Amino acid sequence: DIQMTQSPSSVSASVGDRVTITCRASQGISSWLVWYQQKPGKAPKILIYAASTLQSGVPSRFSGSGSGTDFTLTISSLQPEDFATYYCQQTNSFPYTFGQGTKLEIK
Amino acid sequence: QVQLQESGPGLVKPSETLSLTCAVSGYSISSGYYWGWIRQPPGKGLEWIGCIYHSGSTYYNPSLKSRVTISVDTSKNQFSLKLNSVTAADTAVYYCARDPRTVAAAGLLDWGQGTLVTVSS
Repeated sequence: DIQMTQSPSSVSASVGDRVTITCRASQGISSWLVWYQQKPGKAPKILIYAASTLQSGVPSRFSGSGSGTDFTLTISSLQPEDFATYYCQQTNSFPYTFGQGTKLEIK
Repeated sequence: QVQLQESGPGLVKPSETLSLTCAVSGYSISSGYYWGWIRQPPGKGLEWIGCIYHSGSTYYNPSLKSRVTISVDTSKNQFSLKLNSVTAADTAVYYCARDPRTVAAAGLLDWGQGTLVTVSS
């Protein structure tokens, strides 16, 4: 199985801050990387697929980059509704695997 | 718009079989795509359980493979999850989701709301 490692596991930030979350795959996955946002009590919501393609309807302050083994999710200017938990997932091969999650909290 | 809705018992006894169904509306399962199950223990992260292609091919997480069966019923436009010999460690919110995997991209685009299944006597 491909292991996905996210960092940090949690981060505190303020509205307006720029935040970057990283995700590393245990082997190369090309651009088969997805980012999700999950709010308490809700199902995850897809933000970015194919490492850098923004899902329709997702604000442009979210962006993704990377290929191979190293990936990043950047939120350029945090908004109150962005405080949530973020997960990366590799979709290069079955079994799909998730990172452990990054909890983004208000400072 | 594709919508998914999980249903099934919220309480299962240890050693018994967990059975859930995901009803799909807005799209015919037989037309394509992968249809999957994901779970999330309380306060923890996401775990991919497995998926089924519209043709019936299945893919499972090796950690659960010996206990899991995913099947599809195209006549009812739904797919199902069975997990046998459950223990307390299988207590989780179970989600079903659609993966419109192509040759260029994949991801869990549409999700059900999730259903909590507790394993307890």
